[in-house]
Amino acid sequence: RKEVEQDPGPFNVPEGATVAFNCTYSNSASQSFFWYRQDCRKEPKLLMSVYSSGNEDGRFTAQLNRASQYISLLIRDSKLSDSATYLCVVSLGSGKSTFGDGTTLTVKP
Amino acid sequence: GAVVSQHPSWVICKSGTSVKIECRSLDFQATTMFWYRQFPKQSLMLMATSNEGSKATYEQGVEKDKFLINHASLTLSTLTVTSAHPEDSSFYICSASGWVSTDTQYFGPGTRLTVL
Repeated sequence: RKEVEQDPGPFNVPEGATVAFNCTYSNSASQSFFWYRQDCRKEPKLLMSVYSSGNEDGRFTAQLNRASQYISLLIRDSKLSDSATYLCVVSLGSGKSTFGDGTTLTVKP
Repeated sequence: GAVVSQHPSWVICKSGTSVKIECRSLDFQATTMFWYRQFPKQSLMLMATSNEGSKATYEQGVEKDKFLINHASLTLSTLTVTSAHPEDSSFYICSASGWVSTDTQYFGPGTRLTVL
């Protein structure tokens, strides 16, 4: 079993749709959680950190469920520019992180 | 804040030559730098983790004599691909942590290496 698992997708949604991604992690000692986005042939960029209380940044909402060991990312009112691969990242707090393989999102007009 | 640069952004070289890639944290001191490789349509693969002034820790299966990492300062790490071969052609990306926390990584723009 992988340490961090994501549904690879692809998710194909129309503009304006709401889409949710889930990510599960295997190590219960994990301390820090992040979502990154990676555009084709570009580097990953930090989208948001994920906290137990949940956090929101505009159209993006991230949730952490420690009991079930999963993280979610909700994107509301999808834009064409949201098309990318979304990477779930989990860290034990030692500075080394484990990346999921990513979930590909395509938003269509 | 948290800007990481990489140089060069792309390089084409002949088989057998060595290529050096620089990774710099421009506006913060990076306690740790990471080197990744990514093949087309595949996920990021961590190659090694390096801390300033100490030897890099390589992931299993990554040849330390082929991929030389030097982390001379808190803002600079270099990766040298020695005696490059066509199968080394890939997208090499560095990241640095230490601006917000040791766990938050900021990535450089990557270096696309093509070995002929």
